[in-house]
Amino acid sequence: DTEVTQTPKHLVMGMTNKKSLKCEQHMGHRAMYWYKQKAKKPPELMFVYSYEKLSINESVPSRFSPECPNSSLLNLHLHALQPEDSALYLCASSQNRGQNNSPLHFGNGTRLTVT
Amino acid sequence: QKEVEQNSGPLSVPEGAIASLNCTYSDQGSQSFFWYRQYSGKSPELIMFIYSNGDKEDGRFTAQLNKASQYVSLLIRDSQPSDSATYLCAVGKVSGGYNKLIFGAGTRLAVHP
Repeated sequence: DTEVTQTPKHLVMGMTNKKSLKCEQHMGHRAMYWYKQKAKKPPELMFVYSYEKLSINESVPSRFSPECPNSSLLNLHLHALQPEDSALYLCASSQNRGQNNSPLHFGNGTRLTVT
Repeated sequence: QKEVEQNSGPLSVPEGAIASLNCTYSDQGSQSFFWYRQYSGKSPELIMFIYSNGDKEDGRFTAQLNKASQYVSLLIRDSQPSDSATYLCAVGKVSGGYNKLIFGAGTRLAVHP
């Protein structure tokens, strides 16, 4: 069981659709992350929110739009995606703790297929 | 040169043996190091983290860090078939004043009965 909850678990969408991925954590963490993982590849960082402010955007295309409504919630809005965007999308959270990075705690992920 | 390098494997060990997984990193300023286990189709699960040179033990797992050699390893004692998974090494990096983790490509471990 994970303390970071992602919905939906699976999503199939067409290239003209608009959909959203949701993530929720109740660990009191103040940093939240979106990662993208293709098959047999490591997770790739997309966005980092720290204290509900976007702090890192790894040059992600604008068809991906993150939102952090409060310290427990993180959304990823999807619009006009391409088939190559099909992947496992992982949400994670961590404490903000000085110089040393805190461990990331991952949700179970959303398996996205773009048709 | 990749920021975090791991041998992709597969690393095959018999049940009950010690599995040794290795990772090297390029940024000498890195301060934090993590090992994650990922089963096929599942999300990464934190196994260990280590900040200081030396060994850190947790049950059957031992993380070893040598900052001078820019090397971190994970030992799994008494390996079980259920340990068969991909093990991801991750290194903390400061970017633009914010911390983020860089993942290696992972080593696939196969423990055979």
